[in-house]
Amino acid sequence: SAVISQKPSRDICQRGTSLTIQCQVDSQVTMMFWYRQQPGQSLTLIATANQGSEATYESGFVIDKFPISRPNLTFSTLTVSNMSPEDSSIYLCSVSRTATSTDTQYFGPGTRLTVL
Amino acid sequence: EDQVTQSPEALRLQEGESSSLNCSYTVSGLRGLFWYRQDPGKGPEFLFTLYSAGEEKEKERLKATLTKKESFLHITAPKPEDSATYLCAVLLSGGYQKVTFGIGTKLQVIP
Repeated sequence: SAVISQKPSRDICQRGTSLTIQCQVDSQVTMMFWYRQQPGQSLTLIATANQGSEATYESGFVIDKFPISRPNLTFSTLTVSNMSPEDSSIYLCSVSRTATSTDTQYFGPGTRLTVL
Repeated sequence: EDQVTQSPEALRLQEGESSSLNCSYTVSGLRGLFWYRQDPGKGPEFLFTLYSAGEEKEKERLKATLTKKESFLHITAPKPEDSATYLCAVLLSGGYQKVTFGIGTKLQVIP
């Protein structure tokens, strides 16, 4: 497994502003993922972040709204841009050590975002 | 469309009362199935990975099984500390790690 931390753990933001969420891993990992967990709904994959390449976004998520950085093998950021109350959610980072498609994903503690 | 359905949505058990949680899926190519436990305010904690029908995994009071259409998480003699939401996730074919999650089963074990 891996020890994963996220900052901030929670935040309350005003409509129209942006928030950058950080994900730090205690060891090098190949794959990093960003998920959203809205109340009463399942975890939904936003994008996959690989070092040295553009993030791959899932249907319904775009780079202008959710820009992602992956500067090295232990760190990634997700920005939620031009926020609206509909963006209120828990945002989770997950990692897997290898690019093997069947490798296990381990999750961080999440960032609880409230947009007013 | 790929779907993962977990049942029941919520389950309340007396301490020591064994039961099973169900995860059924309709996907076009399963490469693996994961079970996670999620406590309130925390990220999902990995429990098991199952890759093929007939496979079983055990950890303390939990046992996960897999068939071609569904997976079960059996909880034997549960304790209050087993109270959590249990998430099922399927790994689809396609060459990269696209995982689809169910909504989860919220388990409450009463002393």
